[in-house]
Amino acid sequence: EMVMTQSPATLSLSPGERASLSCRTSQNIRSSLAWYQQKPGQAPRLLIYDASTRATGVPARFSGSGSGTEFTLTISSLQSDDFAIYYCQQYNNWWTFGQGTKVEVK
Amino acid sequence: VQLVESGGGLVLPGGSLRLSCAAAGLDFSDSTIHWVRQTPGKGLEWIGHIRSRGIGYTAAYSESLEDRFTISRDDSQNMAYLQINGLKTEDTAMYYCARSLEAPFDIWGQGTMVTVSS
Repeated sequence: EMVMTQSPATLSLSPGERASLSCRTSQNIRSSLAWYQQKPGQAPRLLIYDASTRATGVPARFSGSGSGTEFTLTISSLQSDDFAIYYCQQYNNWWTFGQGTKVEVK
Repeated sequence: VQLVESGGGLVLPGGSLRLSCAAAGLDFSDSTIHWVRQTPGKGLEWIGHIRSRGIGYTAAYSESLEDRFTISRDDSQNMAYLQINGLKTEDTAMYYCARSLEAPFDIWGQGTMVTVSS
């Protein structure tokens, strides 16, 4: 069974600060990882896929890195619109989501 | 470009429900359509998917779920469906459809809420 571990559970930062979110998988998934952003009352939105490819329309301040079992989503300078919950998802072996990291205003 | 779910509501335990997912403005026939549910306790959970005609309309389901879920599609109507039988209180969730084509889950519906309660 694939286990996804996101950390931290909550990240408290101020606008303009850099955010680094971690996602670890229990098995090697190569680069088969996506990141999603979800705001209250909305469906998730695809940000990054194949570990580092930005989806259409996603601002350049969002970047993804990593391969194998360790991945990072970086938001270079937080904007007010970026405070949300972020989920990672692996698709090397079916589809599994992490439990999410909430990015909140400090 | 959108997906729109419908069919959710309040259902008694043991009941059945068919959720619908209507597609507009996207390459539906070539898309794989997924169903995902979300609860406060378990987060996002992939239920299953149905692939396109080119891949034989094959459906696959999460191994962690019982055989109570069936996904189907009707490309002539740009529709996908999720049939849930023997509903349990733990099936209470927001149910989303989403599509993957060249990127995973790049389009999501707004979700339909299913509440299982007596």
